[in-house]
Amino acid sequence: DADVTQTPRNRITKTGKRIMLECSQTKGHDRMYWYRQDPGLGLRLIYYSFDVKDINKGEISDGYSVSRQAQAKFSLSLESAIPNQTALYFCATSDLTDGGNTQYFGPGTRLTVL
Amino acid sequence: GQNIDQPTEMTATEGAIVQINCTYQTSGFNGLFWYQQHAGEAPTFLSYNVLDGLEEKGRFSSFLSRSKGYSYLLLKELQMKDSASYLCAMRDAGRGSTLGRLYFGRGTQLTVWP
Repeated sequence: DADVTQTPRNRITKTGKRIMLECSQTKGHDRMYWYRQDPGLGLRLIYYSFDVKDINKGEISDGYSVSRQAQAKFSLSLESAIPNQTALYFCATSDLTDGGNTQYFGPGTRLTVL
Repeated sequence: GQNIDQPTEMTATEGAIVQINCTYQTSGFNGLFWYQQHAGEAPTFLSYNVLDGLEEKGRFSSFLSRSKGYSYLLLKELQMKDSASYLCAMRDAGRGSTLGRLYFGRGTQLTVWP
């Protein structure tokens, strides 16, 4: 079984709809991250969380919110989706006790907003 | 702030050696990562350097010079499956909520020809 899972893997929605993307991990890591990837722009950090009670904004948090329901679960919400939020979304995890704090990525969610 | 620069595209032939460069500017450096990403898939961890010098892992090696703000990924005996995007990422040495954050370059798309 995959260590980091994301649901759904693909989603098509309409402008104005509320969307939730979910991420679960079995790695036991304390840190979780949400990124979006657009062609030519690389990976950009949306939000990250160092533990259940900790939430931090990344570079592009406007229009997004997150919830860390448990150590293993971190969800990303688009309250009112707009077309320029069409992108590939990745969840990642890391453990600071690992000397490098290497991040491990989920398989991604391809979101299309019409 | 942080700035990471890497070439957009590179091409090479099967069996050859290719070097992908990455330069960075930051106020607080604490490690340099390389990830491989095949089209539509998750980034996967390749290597990590925190001290100057060369780290070798099979066909892949990564080099770091902290004084020059420079790293490279060296791929030997290229195979068709090495066609992918290679992401350079710098780890933040900040305190509190920024500690351990990764800042990604836009990726270098490598195409390996037969």
